[in-house]
Amino acid sequence: QKEVEQNSGPLSVPEGAIASLNCTYSDRGSQSFFWYRQYSGKSPELIMSIYSNGDKEDGRFTAQLNKASQYVSLLIRDSQPSDSATYLCAVEAGDSSYKLIFGSGTRLLVRP
Amino acid sequence: DVKVTQSSRYLVKRTGEKVFLECVQDMDHENMFWYRQDPGLGLRLIYFSYDVKMKEKGDIPEGYSVSREKKERFSLILESASTNQTSMYLCASRSGDSPLHFGNGTRLTVT
Repeated sequence: QKEVEQNSGPLSVPEGAIASLNCTYSDRGSQSFFWYRQYSGKSPELIMSIYSNGDKEDGRFTAQLNKASQYVSLLIRDSQPSDSATYLCAVEAGDSSYKLIFGSGTRLLVRP
Repeated sequence: DVKVTQSSRYLVKRTGEKVFLECVQDMDHENMFWYRQDPGLGLRLIYFSYDVKMKEKGDIPEGYSVSREKKERFSLILESASTNQTSMYLCASRSGDSPLHFGNGTRLTVT
């Protein structure tokens, strides 16, 4: 069973701080990685996608990928109360099926 | 912008009923997916389809079936609804290795 692991949290950070969210995965064949944000009662929305090792920055968000360590992370700089949500890590299955396997999510709380 | 539309936001059905959840996407995506989401269990894949009339079982297909007669439409069918199928159902689509785009979800309650 291919797995994606996340700490369920909650991760609590003060407003303006950096929030660091982590994810590990078991399928060495995975090539595509995604971070989604989900507010309570809503569907997931895409934050970042990353396909190659290293860092990818988009505004206050930075995704980091290390395929050798099977590790992907999301950094949120200058965290805002509106960032409070559950963050889902998704990893494409390495069997060319285009399926995404999701972690159970990390709940982030940004304290004003 | 990709739009994935699920036909119902909330549904209440009785045990034993046959239930249809409909999903339509407007971006000509080849791949469509049905997930269910439950507290503490995350998103679990029920079925997916990579082409018209093609379907593959996901991780939890028992009690469900699907239909994809047209590229833009992917239906999830609960043959005989049971209370343990009370959940949030999410439809999604993607093309190639692009991100997955989700519909707004259908919250199904089976009584």
